[in-house]
Amino acid sequence: SQQGEEDPQALSIQEGENATMNCSYKTSINNLQWYRQNSGRGLVHLILIRSNEREKHSGRLRVTLDTSKKSSSLLITASRAADTASYFCATDAWGNKLVFGAGTILRVKS
Amino acid sequence: GAGVSQSPSNKVTEKGKDVELRCDPISGHTALYWYRQSLGQGLEFLIYFQGNSAPDKSGLPSDRFSAERTGGSVSTLTIQRTQQEDSAVYLCASSQSVGAGNTEAFFGQGTRLTVV
Repeated sequence: SQQGEEDPQALSIQEGENATMNCSYKTSINNLQWYRQNSGRGLVHLILIRSNEREKHSGRLRVTLDTSKKSSSLLITASRAADTASYFCATDAWGNKLVFGAGTILRVKS
Repeated sequence: GAGVSQSPSNKVTEKGKDVELRCDPISGHTALYWYRQSLGQGLEFLIYFQGNSAPDKSGLPSDRFSAERTGGSVSTLTIQRTQQEDSAVYLCASSQSVGAGNTEAFFGQGTRLTVV
Protein backbone atom coordinates (compact mmCIF):
# COMPACT_ATOMS: atom_id res chain seq x y z
CA SER A 1 0.00 0.00 0.00
CA GLN A 2 1.12 3.57 -0.55
CA GLN A 3 2.91 5.17 2.37
CA GLY A 4 2.57 8.71 1.08
CA GLU A 5 -0.59 10.13 -0.36
CA GLU A 6 -0.63 13.49 -2.06
CA ASP A 7 -3.45 15.92 -2.47
CA PRO A 8 -4.76 17.40 -4.54
CA GLN A 9 -4.50 14.86 -7.32
CA ALA A 10 -4.40 17.69 -9.84
CA LEU A 11 -3.85 21.43 -9.56
CA SER A 12 -4.20 24.09 -12.24
CA ILE A 13 -3.00 27.64 -11.59
CA GLN A 14 -1.96 30.77 -13.43
CA GLU A 15 1.66 31.70 -13.90
CA GLY A 16 2.87 33.80 -10.97
CA GLU A 17 0.55 32.19 -8.43
CA ASN A 18 1.73 29.92 -5.65
CA ALA A 19 1.12 26.18 -5.73
CA THR A 20 0.70 24.08 -2.59
CA MET A 21 0.73 20.29 -2.54
CA ASN A 22 0.25 18.11 0.51
CA CYS A 23 1.48 14.67 1.46
CA SER A 24 0.31 12.41 4.26
CA TYR A 25 2.00 9.25 5.43
CA LYS A 26 1.34 6.48 7.89
CA THR A 27 4.45 5.32 9.70
CA SER A 28 7.40 6.84 11.50
CA ILE A 29 9.95 8.20 9.05
CA ASN A 30 13.61 9.12 8.89
CA ASN A 31 13.11 11.71 6.20
CA LEU A 32 10.65 12.80 3.55
CA GLN A 33 11.60 13.76 0.02
CA TRP A 34 9.87 15.53 -2.84
CA TYR A 35 10.46 14.65 -6.48
CA ARG A 36 9.37 16.06 -9.80
CA GLN A 37 8.57 14.10 -12.95
CA ASN A 38 8.25 15.45 -16.45
CA SER A 39 6.65 13.49 -19.27
CA GLY A 40 6.28 10.24 -17.35
CA ARG A 41 9.96 9.38 -17.28
CA GLY A 42 12.72 9.74 -14.69
CA LEU A 43 12.12 11.59 -11.45
CA VAL A 44 14.31 14.42 -10.25
CA HIS A 45 14.97 14.98 -6.57
CA LEU A 46 13.87 18.42 -5.35
CA ILE A 47 14.35 18.57 -1.61
CA LEU A 48 14.78 16.37 1.45
CA ILE A 49 13.55 17.20 4.94
CA ARG A 50 14.64 15.19 7.95
CA SER A 51 12.29 14.08 10.68
CA ASN A 52 13.80 16.55 13.14
CA GLU A 53 13.29 19.49 10.78
CA ARG A 54 10.11 21.50 10.44
CA GLU A 55 10.77 23.67 7.43
CA LYS A 56 13.25 23.84 4.59
CA HIS A 57 13.76 26.17 1.65
CA SER A 58 15.40 25.76 -1.71
CA GLY A 59 15.01 28.59 -4.19
CA ARG A 60 11.26 28.97 -4.86
CA LEU A 61 10.48 25.77 -2.96
CA ARG A 62 9.40 25.62 0.64
CA VAL A 63 8.74 22.33 2.40
CA THR A 64 7.19 21.85 5.81
CA LEU A 65 6.98 18.70 7.88
CA ASP A 66 4.63 18.00 10.77
CA THR A 67 5.53 14.63 12.25
CA SER A 68 2.71 14.82 14.80
CA LYS A 69 0.21 14.93 11.94
CA LYS A 70 2.35 12.77 9.65
CA SER A 71 2.06 15.31 6.88
CA SER A 72 4.20 17.50 4.68
CA SER A 73 3.54 20.30 2.24
CA LEU A 74 5.42 21.58 -0.78
CA LEU A 75 4.96 25.21 -1.74
CA ILE A 76 6.16 26.52 -5.08
CA THR A 77 6.14 30.30 -5.12
CA ALA A 78 5.77 32.51 -8.19
CA SER A 79 5.06 29.54 -10.40
CA ARG A 80 6.19 29.37 -14.01
CA ALA A 81 4.91 27.41 -16.99
CA ALA A 82 8.08 25.31 -16.73
CA ASP A 83 6.94 24.09 -13.30
CA THR A 84 4.22 22.05 -15.03
CA ALA A 85 4.95 18.46 -13.99
CA SER A 86 3.92 15.71 -11.59
CA TYR A 87 5.19 16.02 -8.03
CA PHE A 88 5.68 13.08 -5.69
CA CYS A 89 6.52 12.76 -2.04
CA ALA A 90 8.57 9.79 -0.87
CA THR A 91 9.19 8.56 2.65
CA ASP A 92 12.32 6.91 3.97
CA ALA A 93 11.22 4.85 6.92
CA TRP A 94 14.36 4.12 8.94
CA GLY A 95 16.39 1.76 6.82
CA ASN A 96 13.55 0.60 4.68
CA LYS A 97 12.76 1.32 1.08
CA LEU A 98 11.69 4.67 -0.36
CA VAL A 99 7.93 4.64 -0.77
CA PHE A 100 6.23 7.05 -3.15
CA GLY A 101 2.77 8.52 -3.14
CA ALA A 102 0.45 8.74 -6.12
CA GLY A 103 1.53 12.26 -7.02
CA THR A 104 0.01 15.64 -7.78
CA ILE A 105 -0.24 16.80 -11.37
CA LEU A 106 0.51 20.52 -11.53
CA ARG A 107 -0.38 22.59 -14.55
CA VAL A 108 0.78 26.20 -14.69
CA LYS A 109 -0.99 28.23 -17.36
CA SER A 110 0.80 31.12 -19.01
CA GLY B 1 28.77 6.99 -15.52
CA ALA B 2 27.36 10.36 -14.61
CA GLY B 3 23.86 9.12 -13.94
CA VAL B 4 21.65 6.05 -13.76
CA SER B 5 21.40 4.37 -17.12
CA GLN B 6 18.61 2.06 -18.18
CA SER B 7 18.34 -0.04 -21.28
CA PRO B 8 16.52 -0.44 -23.50
CA SER B 9 14.61 2.83 -23.35
CA ASN B 10 11.72 1.23 -25.18
CA LYS B 11 10.78 -2.41 -25.60
CA VAL B 12 7.88 -3.91 -27.51
CA THR B 13 7.39 -7.61 -26.98
CA GLU B 14 4.83 -10.24 -27.78
CA LYS B 15 2.68 -11.70 -25.05
CA GLY B 16 4.31 -14.78 -23.59
CA LYS B 17 7.90 -13.75 -24.34
CA ASP B 18 10.52 -13.08 -21.69
CA VAL B 19 12.16 -9.67 -21.34
CA GLU B 20 15.22 -8.39 -19.50
CA LEU B 21 15.56 -4.81 -18.37
CA ARG B 22 18.93 -3.48 -17.36
CA CYS B 23 19.97 -0.81 -14.90
CA ASP B 24 23.44 0.68 -14.44
CA PRO B 25 23.45 2.67 -11.18
CA ILE B 26 25.73 5.51 -10.26
CA SER B 27 29.14 4.18 -9.35
CA GLY B 28 29.51 3.65 -5.62
CA HIS B 29 25.80 3.66 -4.86
CA THR B 30 24.99 0.65 -2.71
CA ALA B 31 21.20 0.91 -2.85
CA LEU B 32 19.29 0.19 -6.04
CA TYR B 33 15.52 0.33 -6.50
CA TRP B 34 13.09 -0.88 -9.15
CA TYR B 35 9.70 0.75 -9.54
CA ARG B 36 6.89 0.35 -12.04
CA GLN B 37 4.66 3.15 -13.24
CA SER B 38 1.52 2.64 -15.27
CA LEU B 39 0.18 5.49 -17.38
CA GLY B 40 -0.91 8.37 -15.20
CA GLN B 41 -0.27 6.49 -12.00
CA GLY B 42 2.16 6.73 -9.12
CA LEU B 43 5.27 4.64 -8.58
CA GLU B 44 4.73 1.04 -7.56
CA PHE B 45 7.64 -0.37 -5.57
CA LEU B 46 8.97 -3.67 -6.90
CA ILE B 47 12.26 -4.49 -5.17
CA TYR B 48 15.36 -2.91 -3.72
CA PHE B 49 18.93 -4.08 -3.31
CA GLN B 50 21.47 -3.23 -0.67
CA GLY B 51 24.67 -4.35 -2.34
CA ASN B 52 23.87 -7.65 -4.02
CA SER B 53 21.18 -8.74 -1.61
CA ALA B 54 17.49 -7.90 -1.82
CA PRO B 55 16.08 -7.33 1.69
CA ASP B 56 12.65 -6.54 0.33
CA LYS B 57 11.09 -8.28 -2.66
CA SER B 58 7.56 -7.70 -1.47
CA GLY B 59 6.59 -5.57 -4.43
CA LEU B 60 7.23 -8.13 -7.14
CA PRO B 61 3.75 -8.76 -8.61
CA SER B 62 4.16 -12.47 -9.29
CA ASP B 63 6.71 -15.23 -9.63
CA ARG B 64 7.11 -14.22 -13.27
CA PHE B 65 9.16 -11.27 -12.01
CA SER B 66 12.69 -11.65 -10.74
CA ALA B 67 15.70 -9.40 -10.31
CA GLU B 68 19.34 -9.77 -9.56
CA ARG B 69 22.29 -7.55 -8.96
CA THR B 70 25.89 -8.54 -9.45
CA GLY B 71 29.10 -6.97 -8.23
CA GLY B 72 27.09 -4.43 -6.31
CA SER B 73 26.52 -2.65 -9.58
CA VAL B 74 24.40 -3.62 -12.58
CA SER B 75 20.91 -4.98 -11.98
CA THR B 76 18.63 -6.92 -14.28
CA LEU B 77 14.86 -7.17 -13.93
CA THR B 78 13.46 -10.18 -15.75
CA ILE B 79 9.83 -10.68 -16.63
CA GLN B 80 8.93 -14.15 -17.86
CA ARG B 81 5.91 -14.98 -20.00
CA THR B 82 4.93 -11.35 -20.32
CA GLN B 83 1.28 -10.35 -20.10
CA GLN B 84 -0.43 -7.23 -21.39
CA GLU B 85 -0.87 -5.95 -17.84
CA ASP B 86 2.92 -5.85 -17.54
CA SER B 87 2.95 -2.89 -19.93
CA ALA B 88 4.32 0.10 -18.01
CA VAL B 89 7.40 2.23 -17.53
CA TYR B 90 9.97 0.47 -15.36
CA LEU B 91 12.10 2.91 -13.41
CA CYS B 92 15.39 2.21 -11.70
CA ALA B 93 16.97 4.43 -9.06
CA SER B 94 20.09 4.31 -6.95
CA SER B 95 21.23 6.01 -3.77
CA GLN B 96 24.32 5.96 -1.64
CA SER B 97 22.65 3.73 0.92
CA VAL B 98 19.29 2.70 2.20
CA GLY B 99 18.61 4.17 5.57
CA ALA B 100 21.59 6.50 5.53
CA GLY B 101 19.06 9.08 6.42
CA ASN B 102 20.08 11.87 4.20
CA THR B 103 20.52 10.55 0.72
CA GLU B 104 18.42 11.16 -2.33
CA ALA B 105 17.52 8.67 -5.03
CA PHE B 106 18.74 9.27 -8.57
CA PHE B 107 16.49 7.92 -11.28
CA GLY B 108 17.15 6.62 -14.74
CA GLN B 109 14.91 7.58 -17.63
CA GLY B 110 13.08 4.30 -17.48
CA THR B 111 12.23 1.50 -19.87
CA ARG B 112 8.82 1.73 -21.52
CA LEU B 113 7.60 -1.84 -21.93
CA THR B 114 4.72 -2.58 -24.26
CA VAL B 115 3.33 -6.08 -24.45
CA VAL B 116 1.27 -6.74 -27.56
